[in-house]
Amino acid sequence: GQQLNQSPQSMFIQEGEDVSMNCTSSSIFNTWLWYKQDPGEGPVLLIALYKAGELTSNGRLTAQFGITRKDSFLNISASIPSDVGIYFCAGLRDNAGNMLTFGGGTRLMVKP
Amino acid sequence: EPEVTQTPSHQVTQMGQEVILRCVPISNHLYFYWYRQILGQKVEFLVSFYNNEISEKSEIFDDQFSVERPDGSNFTLKIRSTKLEDSAMYFCASSGINEKLFFGSGTQLSVL
Repeated sequence: GQQLNQSPQSMFIQEGEDVSMNCTSSSIFNTWLWYKQDPGEGPVLLIALYKAGELTSNGRLTAQFGITRKDSFLNISASIPSDVGIYFCAGLRDNAGNMLTFGGGTRLMVKP
Repeated sequence: EPEVTQTPSHQVTQMGQEVILRCVPISNHLYFYWYRQILGQKVEFLVSFYNNEISEKSEIFDDQFSVERPDGSNFTLKIRSTKLEDSAMYFCASSGINEKLFFGSGTQLSVL
């Protein structure tokens, strides 16, 4: 199956620091979604990207859809303790209907 | 804000038993999905459902699995004869026409 390579796998940062994580693939995706998952909960949608080159913000979160359509990044500015969780990228391909492919996740830990 | 609801939150069953996981998708959504997440791993696609039929399914979704929309609000996943390796968190999701998938909080299935 198609793979989304997400990095880093984990990050341990100080409160107030900025965070950046990314996903890459050898295949083209026509939609990128970024989710956050808290322990024992389902993924919660943070940002959706639909066009190559698109840059979208949601509060302190900013995500970009890569020009090649094979990558995306998520930035979190001025991190706070409640940002702790696992962040997943997910992509949709043209010929895969609405079947999301998920990245392996980035576990974010924030030290107050 | 509308949300996807899943019941039960936890299900413990004996190997070989049948289980039914229940979901109420967001009311005006047209696409319904089941995903699963084995502990510590990425979220994996199982099946998508549209217009009262399966539109996509993964290799995981074998003959032991079935989905049904028995009425206008519920969407169920049935595992006919559970195996130990079926133990996972099962997430229901739904989407409208804009490809944004919204996930429920999941059902933790433990097969003993």
